[in-house]
Amino acid sequence: GAVVSQHPSWVICKSGTSVKIECRSLDFQATTMFWYRQFPKQSLMLMATSNEGSKATYEQGVEKDKFLINHASLTLSTLTVTSAHPEDSSFYICSARNRAGQYFGPGTRLTVT
Amino acid sequence: GESVGLHLPTLSVQEGDNSIINCAYSNSASDYFIWYKQESGKGPQFIIDIRSNMDKRQGQRVTVLLNKTVKHLSLQIAATQPGDSAVYFCAELPGGTSYGKLTFGQGTILTVHP
Repeated sequence: GAVVSQHPSWVICKSGTSVKIECRSLDFQATTMFWYRQFPKQSLMLMATSNEGSKATYEQGVEKDKFLINHASLTLSTLTVTSAHPEDSSFYICSARNRAGQYFGPGTRLTVT
Repeated sequence: GESVGLHLPTLSVQEGDNSIINCAYSNSASDYFIWYKQESGKGPQFIIDIRSNMDKRQGQRVTVLLNKTVKHLSLQIAATQPGDSAVYFCAELPGGTSYGKLTFGQGTILTVHP
C-alpha cells in the first residue's frame, strides 16, 4: 500500500515550452501533497505544499507563476513548469501525506534544451 | 531546519563492514525523524524513523540513534552490502506525521565495494 506514482518519469522539452507533471496517490487519499526539486548531487528542496481544493503554499524563492500547482482531488496533484528554461532542468519529486505517513513518488527527470 | 544545497559528502566501505552515516539537524522543535535511501534516478525510500521521545530504534540491519542534546542523528547499517550503495538522507519533521513540512538534510553518498 501507500504507493505514489508520477507521470512522466522523464521528459525533454524545448526552452520556452510548458511541461506538466502528474502525481497520484494510487491506493490512499492524500490530505496534503508536496513538490520537491533535486539538482544533481544535492538534497531535496521543498518547492510547495498543496491541499486539495485550495491554493498551494510556495516556499521562499519559488515562483508561483512559473511553477503552477493544481491539486484537483485527494489523489491527484499536477505541477506545470511554464516557459521552461535550461536552468529548470532538474529531478522533480512529489510526495503525498495521509495520517499514517508521507510517501514519495519515483520522480520525474526534466531536461530543457 | 534548513536543507542546504551543498554537494554531498561520501562514505566508502567494504562489503561486510558496518556503516555509520551522520546527520545534524537544526530545528529544536522537530520531534520526528526519518532516514531515507535514494538510489540513482529514483525517489526516496523510507528506511527507519524515530520519535524524539526515543534515543534508539532498531530495524533489520539498521539502527537509528538520536541525540537531542547535540541535535544529532545517525544511521548504522550492519554488514553493509553492495545493494546498500545509495544516497542516504535524514529528514526532520516538527509536529509528528500529520503536520509540518519534512525538511531534508544534506545527504551522504554511500559506496559499498565488493
